[in-house]
Amino acid sequence: EVQLVESGGGVVRPGGSLRLSCVASGFTFEDYGMSWVRQGPGKGLEWVSGIQWNAGNRGYADSVRGRFTISRDNAKSSLYLEMKSLRVEDTALYYCARATSGYYDSSEMDVWGQGTTVSVSS
Amino acid sequence: QSALTQPASVSGSPGQSITIFCTGISSDVGDYNYVSWYQQHPGKAPKLIIYDVDDRPSGVSSRFSGSKSADTASLTISGLQAEDEADYYCSSYRVNNYVFGTGTKVTV
Repeated sequence: EVQLVESGGGVVRPGGSLRLSCVASGFTFEDYGMSWVRQGPGKGLEWVSGIQWNAGNRGYADSVRGRFTISRDNAKSSLYLEMKSLRVEDTALYYCARATSGYYDSSEMDVWGQGTTVSVSS
Repeated sequence: QSALTQPASVSGSPGQSITIFCTGISSDVGDYNYVSWYQQHPGKAPKLIIYDVDDRPSGVSSRFSGSKSADTASLTISGLQAEDEADYYCSSYRVNNYVFGTGTKVTV
Protein backbone atom coordinates (compact mmCIF):
# COMPACT_ATOMS: atom_id res chain seq x y z
CA GLU A 1 0.00 0.00 0.00
CA VAL A 2 1.27 3.43 -0.96
CA GLN A 3 1.53 5.46 2.22
CA LEU A 4 2.99 8.63 3.73
CA VAL A 5 3.23 9.02 7.50
CA GLU A 6 4.15 12.34 9.04
CA SER A 7 5.50 12.94 12.53
CA GLY A 8 7.29 15.55 14.58
CA GLY A 9 4.52 18.04 15.17
CA GLY A 10 3.90 19.57 18.55
CA VAL A 11 3.45 22.71 20.60
CA VAL A 12 6.23 25.26 20.47
CA ARG A 13 6.72 28.85 21.58
CA PRO A 14 7.17 31.65 19.05
CA GLY A 15 10.77 31.72 17.92
CA GLY A 16 11.18 28.01 18.54
CA SER A 17 12.07 25.18 16.19
CA LEU A 18 10.65 21.86 15.07
CA ARG A 19 11.63 19.16 12.63
CA LEU A 20 8.91 17.34 10.75
CA SER A 21 9.45 13.94 9.18
CA CYS A 22 7.53 11.98 6.57
CA VAL A 23 8.21 8.31 5.92
CA ALA A 24 7.11 6.84 2.62
CA SER A 25 6.27 3.24 1.85
CA GLY A 26 4.79 1.22 -0.98
CA PHE A 27 6.59 3.05 -3.79
CA THR A 28 10.08 3.97 -4.97
CA PHE A 29 10.56 7.19 -3.04
CA GLU A 30 13.61 8.37 -4.99
CA ASP A 31 11.58 8.60 -8.21
CA TYR A 32 9.26 11.33 -6.97
CA GLY A 33 9.26 14.98 -6.10
CA MET A 34 7.75 15.76 -2.72
CA SER A 35 6.08 18.71 -1.05
CA TRP A 36 4.91 19.96 2.31
CA VAL A 37 1.47 21.57 2.33
CA ARG A 38 -0.12 23.13 5.39
CA GLN A 39 -3.64 24.06 6.42
CA GLY A 40 -4.26 26.49 9.23
CA PRO A 41 -7.29 26.01 11.50
CA GLY A 42 -10.38 26.62 9.40
CA LYS A 43 -8.25 27.83 6.50
CA GLY A 44 -7.31 26.69 3.01
CA LEU A 45 -4.37 24.77 1.68
CA GLU A 46 -1.01 26.50 1.43
CA TRP A 47 1.95 25.01 -0.37
CA VAL A 48 4.97 25.39 1.90
CA SER A 49 7.94 23.78 0.21
CA GLY A 50 8.90 21.23 -2.41
CA ILE A 51 11.95 19.20 -3.38
CA GLN A 52 12.95 17.48 -6.59
CA TRP A 53 13.57 13.73 -6.66
CA ASN A 54 17.34 14.12 -6.30
CA ALA A 55 17.17 17.25 -4.12
CA GLY A 56 18.61 19.18 -7.06
CA ASN A 57 15.91 21.82 -6.85
CA ARG A 58 13.98 23.07 -3.85
CA GLY A 59 11.32 25.73 -3.56
CA TYR A 60 9.72 27.65 -0.73
CA ALA A 61 6.68 29.82 -0.23
CA ASP A 62 7.53 33.44 0.48
CA SER A 63 5.99 33.05 3.94
CA VAL A 64 8.60 30.49 5.04
CA ARG A 65 11.65 31.21 2.89
CA GLY A 66 14.72 31.70 5.06
CA ARG A 67 13.11 30.01 8.07
CA PHE A 68 12.21 26.54 6.79
CA THR A 69 14.47 24.00 5.09
CA ILE A 70 13.27 20.98 3.17
CA SER A 71 15.44 17.91 2.71
CA ARG A 72 15.14 14.24 1.87
CA ASP A 73 16.98 10.99 2.47
CA ASN A 74 16.18 8.64 -0.39
CA ALA A 75 17.96 5.76 1.33
CA LYS A 76 15.50 6.09 4.22
CA SER A 77 12.48 6.98 2.03
CA SER A 78 12.08 10.03 4.18
CA LEU A 79 11.22 13.70 3.73
CA TYR A 80 11.99 16.37 6.29
CA LEU A 81 11.04 19.95 7.07
CA GLU A 82 13.28 21.88 9.45
CA MET A 83 11.32 24.82 10.84
CA LYS A 84 13.02 27.66 12.71
CA SER A 85 11.93 31.05 14.02
CA LEU A 86 8.39 29.75 14.21
CA ARG A 87 5.54 32.27 14.30
CA VAL A 88 1.99 32.03 15.53
CA GLU A 89 0.83 32.09 11.92
CA ASP A 90 2.75 28.86 11.23
CA THR A 91 0.17 27.01 13.32
CA ALA A 92 -1.34 24.41 11.01
CA LEU A 93 -1.77 20.80 10.04
CA TYR A 94 1.25 19.93 7.90
CA TYR A 95 0.78 17.40 5.12
CA CYS A 96 3.45 15.53 3.24
CA ALA A 97 2.46 14.94 -0.39
CA ARG A 98 3.92 13.06 -3.36
CA ALA A 99 4.19 14.62 -6.79
CA THR A 100 3.33 12.43 -9.77
CA SER A 101 6.79 12.94 -11.28
CA GLY A 102 10.29 13.73 -10.10
CA TYR A 103 9.48 17.43 -10.08
CA TYR A 104 7.49 18.98 -7.27
CA ASP A 105 6.37 22.16 -9.03
CA SER A 106 5.11 20.99 -12.42
CA SER A 107 3.33 17.93 -11.07
CA GLU A 108 0.12 17.41 -9.21
CA MET A 109 0.09 15.64 -5.82
CA ASP A 110 -1.53 12.25 -5.85
CA VAL A 111 -0.62 10.77 -2.48
CA TRP A 112 -1.09 12.59 0.82
CA GLY A 113 -0.37 11.72 4.41
CA GLN A 114 -2.79 12.37 7.24
CA GLY A 115 -0.75 15.30 8.54
CA THR A 116 1.03 16.32 11.72
CA THR A 117 -0.13 19.27 13.79
CA VAL A 118 2.13 22.21 14.63
CA SER A 119 0.92 24.71 17.21
CA VAL A 120 2.91 27.86 17.88
CA SER A 121 1.73 29.64 20.97
CA SER A 122 3.10 31.56 23.89
CA GLN B 1 2.81 34.69 -3.52
CA SER B 2 -0.87 35.40 -3.93
CA ALA B 3 -3.28 32.51 -4.03
CA LEU B 4 -5.47 31.73 -7.00
CA THR B 5 -8.96 33.21 -6.60
CA GLN B 6 -12.01 30.99 -6.12
CA PRO B 7 -15.55 31.76 -4.95
CA ALA B 8 -15.99 31.04 -1.26
CA SER B 9 -19.04 28.90 -1.80
CA VAL B 10 -21.18 27.29 -4.48
CA SER B 11 -24.36 25.34 -3.94
CA GLY B 12 -26.63 23.14 -6.01
CA SER B 13 -29.38 20.58 -5.77
CA PRO B 14 -28.88 16.86 -6.33
CA GLY B 15 -28.67 16.08 -10.04
CA GLN B 16 -27.74 19.61 -11.04
CA SER B 17 -24.42 20.78 -12.46
CA ILE B 18 -22.20 23.39 -10.87
CA THR B 19 -19.02 25.09 -12.02
CA ILE B 20 -16.25 26.46 -9.84
CA PHE B 21 -13.95 29.06 -11.35
CA CYS B 22 -10.31 29.58 -10.46
CA THR B 23 -8.64 32.79 -11.54
CA GLY B 24 -4.89 33.11 -11.70
CA ILE B 25 -2.45 35.28 -13.54
CA SER B 26 -0.50 34.92 -16.74
CA SER B 27 2.51 33.46 -14.95
CA ASP B 28 0.59 30.51 -13.60
CA VAL B 29 -2.82 29.42 -14.90
CA GLY B 30 -2.45 31.47 -18.07
CA ASP B 31 0.94 30.21 -19.15
CA TYR B 32 0.87 26.54 -18.21
CA ASN B 33 -1.49 23.59 -18.44
CA TYR B 34 -0.48 22.37 -15.00
CA VAL B 35 -3.79 23.09 -13.32
CA SER B 36 -5.09 20.57 -10.81
CA TRP B 37 -8.14 20.29 -8.60
CA TYR B 38 -8.41 18.70 -5.17
CA GLN B 39 -11.44 17.63 -3.16
CA GLN B 40 -11.28 17.70 0.63
CA HIS B 41 -13.91 16.33 2.96
CA PRO B 42 -13.92 17.54 6.58
CA GLY B 43 -11.13 16.01 8.62
CA LYS B 44 -9.64 14.26 5.61
CA ALA B 45 -6.57 14.80 3.46
CA PRO B 46 -7.09 16.36 0.03
CA LYS B 47 -7.77 14.06 -2.90
CA LEU B 48 -6.63 14.75 -6.45
CA ILE B 49 -9.58 14.79 -8.86
CA ILE B 50 -8.30 16.66 -11.94
CA TYR B 51 -4.78 17.24 -13.27
CA ASP B 52 -3.26 18.88 -16.33
CA VAL B 53 -6.41 21.02 -16.66
CA ASP B 54 -8.79 18.28 -17.78
CA ASP B 55 -7.43 14.82 -17.00
CA ARG B 56 -8.93 12.57 -14.35
CA PRO B 57 -6.93 10.12 -12.24
CA SER B 58 -8.04 6.53 -12.39
CA GLY B 59 -11.03 5.94 -10.16
CA VAL B 60 -12.34 9.50 -10.17
CA SER B 61 -15.90 9.86 -11.36
CA SER B 62 -16.49 11.18 -14.89
CA ARG B 63 -18.93 13.62 -13.32
CA PHE B 64 -15.88 15.77 -12.60
CA SER B 65 -14.44 17.69 -15.53
CA GLY B 66 -11.99 20.55 -15.94
CA SER B 67 -11.20 23.20 -18.47
CA LYS B 68 -9.26 26.41 -18.88
CA SER B 69 -9.57 29.68 -20.76
CA ALA B 70 -6.78 32.26 -20.55
CA ASP B 71 -6.07 32.92 -16.85
CA THR B 72 -9.16 31.11 -15.56
CA ALA B 73 -9.60 27.41 -14.93
CA SER B 74 -12.88 25.74 -14.06
CA LEU B 75 -14.16 22.57 -12.45
CA THR B 76 -17.61 21.30 -13.35
CA ILE B 77 -19.44 18.73 -11.27
CA SER B 78 -22.30 17.15 -13.17
CA GLY B 79 -25.16 15.18 -11.63
CA LEU B 80 -24.41 16.60 -8.21
CA GLN B 81 -24.56 14.03 -5.42
CA ALA B 82 -24.63 14.35 -1.64
CA GLU B 83 -21.12 12.91 -1.42
CA ASP B 84 -19.80 15.80 -3.51
CA GLU B 85 -20.33 18.16 -0.59
CA ALA B 86 -16.77 19.15 0.28
CA ASP B 87 -14.13 21.83 -0.15
CA TYR B 88 -12.50 22.13 -3.55
CA TYR B 89 -9.12 23.69 -4.30
CA CYS B 90 -7.53 24.50 -7.62
CA SER B 91 -3.77 24.65 -7.97
CA SER B 92 -1.20 25.64 -10.52
CA TYR B 93 2.44 25.54 -11.31
CA ARG B 94 4.55 28.67 -11.00
CA VAL B 95 8.24 28.58 -11.74
CA ASN B 96 9.92 26.88 -8.77
CA ASN B 97 6.68 27.15 -6.87
CA TYR B 98 3.23 25.73 -6.53
CA VAL B 99 0.12 27.69 -5.62
CA PHE B 100 -3.33 26.72 -4.40
CA GLY B 101 -6.61 28.51 -4.82
CA THR B 102 -8.49 30.07 -1.92
CA GLY B 103 -10.91 27.14 -1.82
CA THR B 104 -14.62 26.71 -2.52
CA LYS B 105 -17.13 25.06 -0.23
CA VAL B 106 -19.66 23.10 -2.24
CA THR B 107 -23.02 22.54 -0.60
CA VAL B 108 -25.47 20.03 -1.99
